[in-house]
Amino acid sequence: DVKVTQSSRYLVKRTGEKVFLECVQDMDHENMFWYRQDPGLGLRLIYFSYDVKMKEKGDIPEGYSVSREKKERFSLILESASTNQTSMYLCASQPYGYQYEQYFGPGTRLTVT
Amino acid sequence: SQQGEEDPQALSIQEGENATMNCSYKTSINNLQWYRQNSGRGLVHLILIRSNEREKHSGRLRVTLDTSKKSSSLLITASRAADTASYFCATDRGGADGLTFGKGTHLIIQP
Repeated sequence: DVKVTQSSRYLVKRTGEKVFLECVQDMDHENMFWYRQDPGLGLRLIYFSYDVKMKEKGDIPEGYSVSREKKERFSLILESASTNQTSMYLCASQPYGYQYEQYFGPGTRLTVT
Repeated sequence: SQQGEEDPQALSIQEGENATMNCSYKTSINNLQWYRQNSGRGLVHLILIRSNEREKHSGRLRVTLDTSKKSSSLLITASRAADTASYFCATDRGGADGLTFGKGTHLIIQP
C-alpha cells in the first residue's frame, strides 16, 4: 500500500515563526502536492512538484514556499507564519502522468496564534 | 480556482437507504475522481471515471459522468454508519497541475 506520512498531526506556532511541514511518500511517485483545507472553501492547491528540485505554484502560493531535494520528500515552508495560515494542510503524491489517483497523508492541523 | 461544485452541501439519511451526491464542473476534463474524508483525516480515493466513460461501479458505489452537462453523480447503495464522511469530487483537466476539488458534501448516516 502507498503510504504518505506527514511530520505532525497537530502543530501550534506563533505569529512570525518559520514553520516547516514535512511530507514523505514511499511509492517512488514523481508528483507531490500541498493543499490547504478550510471550512466552506474545500481544498486549495498551494504548490506542486513533478520532479526533484522542480516546483510549480498552485492557486494560493502567497506566503508559502516549498522544497523538494529528494524524490520522496516534499516540504512546505511558511516563512513568517500568520494567523490567516491557520488551517488543515494536506500532502498528496501521484505517479507521473494522467489518469491516476492521488494518495493523501493524514493532514497537519496548524494553528498560528 | 474551484472547478467542481458538489450538491447538496449536506445530506442526512437513514442507514440502509441510498445516498446520491452530485458534482458539476465548468471546463473540459480528462477524468473525474471521487474522494472520501473522515472527520479530521486525509482524503481516500474512491473511484475514477474517465471522460470517455459514462458509468462505473465499485462495490456499493456507482458513478455516472455526463460530459455534455458537465456533471457527475455518486450513488452509495445500502448506506452504513461507517459511510458518514465528507465526499469530494475532483477534476483532472489533463495538465501537470493536479486535481481541482469541490467543497464537498457532508453525508451523515443515521443508525
